[in-house]
Amino acid sequence: AQSVTQLDSHVSVSEGTPVLLRCNYSSSYSPSLFWYVQHPNKGLQLLLKYTSAATLVKGINGFEAEFKKSETSFHLTKPSAHMSDAAEYFCVVTLSGGSYIPTFGRGTSLIVHP
Amino acid sequence: NAGVTQTPKFQVLKTGQSMTLQCAQDMNHEYMSWYRQDPGMGLRLIHYSVGAGITDQGEVPNGYNVSRSTTEDFPLRLLSAAPSQTSVYFCASSYVDRGRPYGYTFGSGTRLTVV
Repeated sequence: AQSVTQLDSHVSVSEGTPVLLRCNYSSSYSPSLFWYVQHPNKGLQLLLKYTSAATLVKGINGFEAEFKKSETSFHLTKPSAHMSDAAEYFCVVTLSGGSYIPTFGRGTSLIVHP
Repeated sequence: NAGVTQTPKFQVLKTGQSMTLQCAQDMNHEYMSWYRQDPGMGLRLIHYSVGAGITDQGEVPNGYNVSRSTTEDFPLRLLSAAPSQTSVYFCASSYVDRGRPYGYTFGSGTRLTVV
């Protein structure tokens, strides 16, 4: 079985300060992990993915995430928040080897203050 | 442009009506799926397919049917609409390489209201 927990439902930062969105997963097998972003009234867009290559993954718009197997975590970070980063972020886990069904976290709403 | 196309973008139904939400992808992806998104609930899987002719139920399948006659299309049918089916529906597809999905491409969504 697999599950994913986004530890914060809301994160509030000031523009120009670092962003940290936390995600922990539970998986019996080697997982694939993804972060998606959803802007208001839009579909979901892939930010970055981990699929068993480098543990530090760089994505679009300056975001990156580090896969830490010992901590079962895949936290999303960005050095400096921009107003346009305000959105809902989803952490997703999928098992390898036959099951393509992803499990979505409940989402973290990122609020960016001027 | 390559991607996942969902139609319609908005729909209002009366209770008891039926309708089909369309989803098409032109990326030759094996895996396709339907989700509903409700406030505070994240995305919940309705049905999915790992290839033409193969479908299976997800977390919340009741009241919905799917079929996958071609690789490209994966329509979602609401059999008898209920107010509880008011939601935003997303279709997603992915290709799979050596047993791993390489990221899901989502459609722009269908906002459905059942009155």
